[in-house]
Amino acid sequence: EVQLVESGGGLVQPGGSLRLSCAASGFTFSSYWMHWVRQAPGKGLVWVSRINSDGSSTSYADSVKGRFTISRDNAKNTLYLQMNSLRAEDTAVYYCARTVATGTLRYFDYWGQGTLVTVSS
Amino acid sequence: QSVLTQPPSASGTPGQRVTISCSGSSSNIGSNTVNWYQQLPGTAPKLLIYSNNQRPSGVPDRFSGSKSGTSASLAISGLQSEDEADYYCAAWDDSLNGPEVVFGGGTKLTVL
Repeated sequence: EVQLVESGGGLVQPGGSLRLSCAASGFTFSSYWMHWVRQAPGKGLVWVSRINSDGSSTSYADSVKGRFTISRDNAKNTLYLQMNSLRAEDTAVYYCARTVATGTLRYFDYWGQGTLVTVSS
Repeated sequence: QSVLTQPPSASGTPGQRVTISCSGSSSNIGSNTVNWYQQLPGTAPKLLIYSNNQRPSGVPDRFSGSKSGTSASLAISGLQSEDEADYYCAAWDDSLNGPEVVFGGGTKLTVL
């Protein structure tokens, strides 16, 4: 059974840092591209970042570029999101999502349960 | 402001058919397939439709998707109370300087 379990969320002051983790199980983690998607309280889904299967390629939303870093450890079956210089507008539930990417077929087939990040003084 | 445009709300009575629209542009829906996600209250999103009109295993055939040009739609027939949820369309985007994946703002479906 495919499982994605996020952790690392919490309350942090503006300007602070946090590292989110997404532990994967039930599939060959190293074969899949992975993404982070966030959802501010009461708002919609917003794409944050993507990493390819071996970690050699990443991309970011403009709103987090230069502040967030996505990475992965395929030996530990874990995806990470290092978040620095956090702002109030980064407050959201952060989801990791497994990606099917085959030719023109691209979609998130499994999502984690999410971890809440609250940026407030 | 979401890149893809969805109506903020939709409603129907049990047994009815409802549709939710999703409008984009040539760089996203016009160039890539559309996916739909269902988010039940207090839970994570779940894949509902992929590649415009394909249902993952376990999704009832009451749910169907279609795409034409730069627009897509989700149809739910035989509406049931458990369908009350938020629905999001999404697509990859080929814009050089934009986000890699774009979502609609979500449509809250109410079963009356």
